[in-house]
Amino acid sequence: KNEVEQSPQNLTAQEGEFITINCSYSVGISALHWLQQHPGGGIVSLFMLSSGKKKHGRLIATINIQEKHSSLHITASHPRDSAVYICAVRSRAIAGGTSYGKLTFGQGTILTVHP
Amino acid sequence: DSGVTQTPKHLITATGQRVTLRCSPRSGDLSVYWYQQSLDQGLQFLIQYYNGEERAKGNILERFSAQQFPDLHSELNLSSLELGDSALYFCASSSVGGEAFFGQGTRLTVV
Repeated sequence: KNEVEQSPQNLTAQEGEFITINCSYSVGISALHWLQQHPGGGIVSLFMLSSGKKKHGRLIATINIQEKHSSLHITASHPRDSAVYICAVRSRAIAGGTSYGKLTFGQGTILTVHP
Repeated sequence: DSGVTQTPKHLITATGQRVTLRCSPRSGDLSVYWYQQSLDQGLQFLIQYYNGEERAKGNILERFSAQQFPDLHSELNLSSLELGDSALYFCASSSVGGEAFFGQGTRLTVV
């Protein structure tokens, strides 16, 4: 079993729909990241969460530390939201320094939004 | 623009060859992480450097090595290349607050 599981793997929506992508993890973490990857490959960080909820424009991310679960919501989806969304967890900081641990990634959710 | 610079963007090389991928982290970021993204394995952690020192190793093959220089740029060296090494290689750096910033990646094709 992977340490980070995302669902669904593929998601197709019509423009304007509300979208939810889920992420569950099984390890101790210092933070959870939601990333976006467009065709062409570049990865952009959308959110970093260690508790609660964050909102940026039409995007909302939540995390429940006790249940080891996070969700990414997109309200009023648009074709430009079509991309791969990746959940990644950051392991706890390495002792003896101020660096942050590595990221462990989910397999990604391919989102396609049709006009 | 994340502030993380990776070169080259694309690389095509033959099996058995050696290549060097280069990464400059965001100004002020001391940590550099290397990740490999392949179609069958997804994104996987290779190695981390912090202020010139190796901090953690992941699924990095013995044919691969990396280093971080005093000016904090990092190089990932891949040798005796095989077809299966074809992948996107990402470099990332972390801010003081732990946010992740990714380079645009180097697409390596081994033929």
